[in-house]
Amino acid sequence: IVLTQSPGALSLSPGERATLSCRASQSVSSRYLAWYQQKPGQAPRVLIYEASSRPTGIPDRFSGSGSGTDFTLTISKLEPEDFAVYYCQQYGSSPLTFGGGTKVEIK
Amino acid sequence: EVQLVESGGGLVHPGRSLRLSCAASGFKFDDYAMHWVRQGPGKGLEWVSGITWNGGNIGYADSVKGRFTISRDNAKNSLFLQMHNLRIEDTAFYYCAKEGGYPSGTRHNWFDPWGQGTLVTVSS
Repeated sequence: IVLTQSPGALSLSPGERATLSCRASQSVSSRYLAWYQQKPGQAPRVLIYEASSRPTGIPDRFSGSGSGTDFTLTISKLEPEDFAVYYCQQYGSSPLTFGGGTKVEIK
Repeated sequence: EVQLVESGGGLVHPGRSLRLSCAASGFKFDDYAMHWVRQGPGKGLEWVSGITWNGGNIGYADSVKGRFTISRDNAKNSLFLQMHNLRIEDTAFYYCAKEGGYPSGTRHNWFDPWGQGTLVTVSS
């Protein structure tokens, strides 16, 4: 399954809302889609799994939605620490695949 | 605290071999599937390989199939990636990642947490 993320980059100000898209080339079974955040020089960390579930410790300004082939990550109010690259990943089919990433930049 | 520490990276010539290790601690290693994910310089993430808790189910990306072998030693809480016939395009940070959430018994996993990575550079 090929995952296409859009936009490639997003320029926003702190406090604004960010909406990131992840589109799959075929349906992602059981909503097995995750979102990760990666900052420069760091390993990725998970924000969302099963399309809309947040692991313990992830702030509730991060939310995920979607099913089938269209998924969205929303950051309700950007904090300074949220400027990073975001990746989606599907784990419903082999091979596991990632999207190309969306960079959220400070405007 | 769950910790994953990769080692074994380095500079290697094309066609040579390298073995990566991942030392796990802070969780019951033999309950969880484990994976390797890589990231080329300035590039995105690419899943490389995954292995179920008992090694009974293993998968590889097409780009490494036949050249890389994943394995684990549950007695030593360790994950390995044996890489043969390395190519320039294998240059990347290699991350070890644990199956997220509760053990599923499958390789169809999200990843949490990730190690800090080990750099493999393939160059002549």
